[in-house]
Amino acid sequence: GENVEQHPSTLSVQEGDSAVIKCTYSDSASNYFPWYKQELGKRPQLIIDIRSNVGEKKDQRIAVTLNKTAKHFSLHITETQPEDSAVYFCAATTDSGGYQKVTFGTGTKLQVIP
Amino acid sequence: DAGVTQSPTHLIKTRGQQVTLRCSPKSGHDTVSWYQQALGQGPQFIFQYYEEEERQRGNFPDRFSGHQYPNYSSELNVNALLLGDSALYLCASRTFDGNEQFFGPGTRLTVL
Repeated sequence: GENVEQHPSTLSVQEGDSAVIKCTYSDSASNYFPWYKQELGKRPQLIIDIRSNVGEKKDQRIAVTLNKTAKHFSLHITETQPEDSAVYFCAATTDSGGYQKVTFGTGTKLQVIP
Repeated sequence: DAGVTQSPTHLIKTRGQQVTLRCSPKSGHDTVSWYQQALGQGPQFIFQYYEEEERQRGNFPDRFSGHQYPNYSSELNVNALLLGDSALYLCASRTFDGNEQFFGPGTRLTVL
């Protein structure tokens, strides 16, 4: 089955600095890669996603890059703000005729220091 | 639109008991997935329902079963509860031909 590794497990940055979280996956059939933000006691919320036929996607301060050959993808947050503090999860999705199986990484706890 | 809803919010059970958790998908969504999230871990995929049938399953024993109703709502049943079943159980919904999943607030299950 799919295996997703995520690093680092914790990340502290100064407000205004950039944060980068990296994930690797094992199943070359994975074709959709969402990133979720989960604040304490709340549900995961999608912040950005990328499909396997795209190498990079950007949405304001957030960007995701995908290297299919190396089977890794990364989340980049620029100009970090205290409200970016949360746990971030990457995920890899395999799709078999519409029936998806989603494998999550172990999460990165991001702390933005004011 | 209320989004994905789950009930109950919290639940306390003892070992060996059985539990049923409920999920109503976001309006317009027909595909429901269930996840188990242990403390400090990422969500683990349990199974996915579409057209009232289980379509995909993660690495969970058959003590975990589910159901989907014609209105697309879903239930997760866990039999013979173990201490290790204590976790946050998340439901997520999407349209069958879409990718983006919307998560519910979860049910916190504690097994004593």
